[in-house]
Amino acid sequence: QSALTQPASVSGSPGQSITISCTGTSSDVGGYNYVCWYQQHPGKAPKLMIYDVSDRPSGVSNRFSGSKSGNTASLTISGLQAEDEADYYCTSYTSSSTLYVFGTGTKVTVL
Amino acid sequence: QVQLQQSGPGLVKPSQTLSLTCAISGDSVSSNSAAWNWIRQSPSRGLEWLGRTYYRSKWYNDYAISVKSRITINPDTSKNQFSLQLNSVTPEDTAVYYCARQGTYTSGWPIDFWGQGTLVTVSS
Repeated sequence: QSALTQPASVSGSPGQSITISCTGTSSDVGGYNYVCWYQQHPGKAPKLMIYDVSDRPSGVSNRFSGSKSGNTASLTISGLQAEDEADYYCTSYTSSSTLYVFGTGTKVTVL
Repeated sequence: QVQLQQSGPGLVKPSQTLSLTCAISGDSVSSNSAAWNWIRQSPSRGLEWLGRTYYRSKWYNDYAISVKSRITINPDTSKNQFSLQLNSVTPEDTAVYYCARQGTYTSGWPIDFWGQGTLVTVSS
């Protein structure tokens, strides 16, 4: 089972919006609405930001939003803030025997 | 609020068994609305889901195909915790290991709470 493909890095200035893509196949991202997004700061555990493609857990800022089109899911961060600088990972349920596959990760830099 | 506290050795010799424990507070390992996972992260392999255990009138386990022949995840209801055992480790198993909860409040079963992570190094 190959990892989901994400851009290695994305950057933006404070206040701008950025979008991170997560590309899989019809066996994972395209086949199920079970995509999650995680934020990970250095040395910390991942934090759930989006689940089921576009739902936000309680306490997560509405500046974070998710969507999906075909085999590609996306995370958009609007009104970029310094605290958003972190690594971001997508994950999806997959019909393969592995059950869950993670993305390669994207480093977000706030300029 | 669910909290997961991991414990276990940070150094394991090649060919031996890696053992970690995850103590749960704020939920129950026997909950019918949760599943309990182990995930690892390394620079070479990224984030990798390893397996899970959960209770739905009986205990179930699912394991990633990459480790299926070497892994065991067991619940301990008396201590409200669950454990990971990975046999016959090699240096490729060096990683930060996380325990994590899946909430089953939606059909997607999102992984919503994570332990603090344990760096396990496989070296003689």
